[in-house]
Amino acid sequence: DAGVIQSPRHEVTEMGQEVTLRCKPISGHNSLFWYRQTMMRGLELLIYFNNNVPIDDSGMPEDRFSAKMPNASFSTLKIQPSEPRDSAVYFCASRSQQASGELFFGEGSRLTVL
Amino acid sequence: DAKTTQPTSMDCAEGRAANLPCNHSTISGNEYVYWYRQIHSQGPQYIIHGLKNNETNEMASLIITEDRKSSTLILPHATLRDTAVYYCIVASSGGGADGLTFGKGTHLIIQP
Repeated sequence: DAGVIQSPRHEVTEMGQEVTLRCKPISGHNSLFWYRQTMMRGLELLIYFNNNVPIDDSGMPEDRFSAKMPNASFSTLKIQPSEPRDSAVYFCASRSQQASGELFFGEGSRLTVL
Repeated sequence: DAKTTQPTSMDCAEGRAANLPCNHSTISGNEYVYWYRQIHSQGPQYIIHGLKNNETNEMASLIITEDRKSSTLILPHATLRDTAVYYCIVASSGGGADGLTFGKGTHLIIQP
């Protein structure tokens, strides 16, 4: 099993540019989560999906952030326009319906907004 | 989710048992205790979880007090590769869909 796959691993962009982060969950997992990690705020849950449907997006910081899950094997997190304070590591995680809470995390996407 | 309290950092000698405490005095009856760890520059990794009985797997043991207000994660023979931030989380689950809320965790440093 390849695990949760995220791309890109690193991205450096300029303020105002659009950023798209991608995630491929583990095959067969029906829940997908987006987290953000910074030194100041730690790991924050941004949004999660069950069966491709967004369930709770209360952690999304503002309207510049959006997330989609068009099918069971792909999700995107988009920031438009990006700002320097969006610099962070963004993690995607997935979970099986049969599991009792175990999340499998990807390696993360490190975003730097200049 | 209930709040947890963990020490900010701990040291342990290589080869010794590392005992990481966690207080969760407001845990409710249907909430589990989960432990994850995060090695530098990697995504968090699941270690173990339990409801009220002690649990053991190939990575660690989890000891939960009878009143469930605290727990201890035990790494029986710590190695340098166990240096990481360890997160104790309480959450309802049993197949539930909610995401886990991570606190600041304990930075465990294994000394050679």
